[in-house]
Amino acid sequence: EVQLAESGGGLVQPGGSLRLSCAASGFRLTDYWMTWVRQAPGKGLEWVASIDRDGSGKYYVDSVKGRFTMSRDTAKNSVFLEIISPRAEDTAVYYCARGLGHWFVFLYWGQGTLVTVSS
Amino acid sequence: QSALTQPPSASGSPGQSVTISCTGTSSDVGGYNFVSWYQQHPGKAPKLMIHEVNKRPSGVPDRFSGAKSGNTASLTVSGLQAEDEADYYCNSYAGSNNVVFGGGTKLTVL
Repeated sequence: EVQLAESGGGLVQPGGSLRLSCAASGFRLTDYWMTWVRQAPGKGLEWVASIDRDGSGKYYVDSVKGRFTMSRDTAKNSVFLEIISPRAEDTAVYYCARGLGHWFVFLYWGQGTLVTVSS
Repeated sequence: QSALTQPPSASGSPGQSVTISCTGTSSDVGGYNFVSWYQQHPGKAPKLMIHEVNKRPSGVPDRFSGAKSGNTASLTVSGLQAEDEADYYCNSYAGSNNVVFGGGTKLTVL
């Protein structure tokens, strides 16, 4: 059974840093792209970042380029999202997701982890 | 990377049909047959309902169907049921390893 479990959210000050984790089970990261999607309070879904099966290709929405870094640890079967110098507009629930066949068809989702950026 | 356009709200009575639109451009919706639809109940993670315009994942009722014409995709929910009340989001592949979501539509079952 495929399961995704995010952790690491919390309160972070503007200019600080935070690392989100997503522990995957029921499949191998080397077989699938993985993605982070976020949802600001009361707002819609926004694609944030994806990493390919090789782990070498990383793709980001323009608004987070240079501030967010996605990575993975195949030994732990986990993906990560490092948030550097967060802004108030980064406040959101961050979901980890895995594709169905095409990587951008998100069949499996975690429960989400809330990141609040505030001083 | 502009968001796809969805109506903020839609509604229908039990048993009726309702259609939600999702408008993009030739660079996303119109350029690829890679439109998906997600259902999200309050406080829950999104659930995939339709992918590749009109394909339903296992377990999704056939009351849910998708279509596309030009730069606009649509989700139709037939035989509305109380549990269909939720937010619905479309998304599309937008080329160059980018994905774009719609702003979401709140479906109310009257």
